[in-house]
Amino acid sequence: SAVISQKPSRDICQRGTSLTIQCQVDSQVTMMFWYRQQPGQSLTLIATANQGSEATYESGFVIDKFPISRPNLTFSTLTVSNMSPEDSSIYLCSVGGASYEQYFGPGTRLTVT
Amino acid sequence: SQQGEEDPQALSIQEGENATMNCSYKTSINNLQWYRQNSGRGLVHLILIRSNEREKHSGRLRVTLDTSKKSSSLLITASRAADTASYFCATDADGANSKLTFGKGITLSVRP
Repeated sequence: SAVISQKPSRDICQRGTSLTIQCQVDSQVTMMFWYRQQPGQSLTLIATANQGSEATYESGFVIDKFPISRPNLTFSTLTVSNMSPEDSSIYLCSVGGASYEQYFGPGTRLTVT
Repeated sequence: SQQGEEDPQALSIQEGENATMNCSYKTSINNLQWYRQNSGRGLVHLILIRSNEREKHSGRLRVTLDTSKKSSSLLITASRAADTASYFCATDADGANSKLTFGKGITLSVRP
């Protein structure tokens, strides 16, 4: 399985500011995804990060709020823009494996005050 | 709407006992995956079962899939205190292009 790292592991931010989360994989992967896990809840897919093209967003998520970059096959960033307390969540990136398993990074725990 | 629904939502057992968790889903799937999450950390991939498979084993884990009932079960045998965690099923629906839809999760507590 791929080794996935995320930075930062946690952060406390003020409302109105933005935070960029990085996801690094130790091997080239085609499929990379970003999920959000709100407190006490399950995971919800934000978007598919496409290499060389714009991300594909799920219903309820928009590029202005969650811009995503995917400059190559091992790296992606998710920015949470103009944050409000409702954005307090764990943000996780995941990658698709060769046999369709998905592996997740350790997550970024974001608290917005 | 969420694809998977696990039950029970919470389960408390004694160390050494078996734990059975169930997941139901609504649409046709390519595969179903089970994950473990400890204390709000990252998800650990446990097992993937494809739509044409009925049962898979991995160590103390046994997963079954019944596509006619759109349900899956995860059995953990001889549970340990370290198995205490939240468990999620996630489905890769037909045509979803590997995007996973997660159930609400089950909180398992294993008492020493």
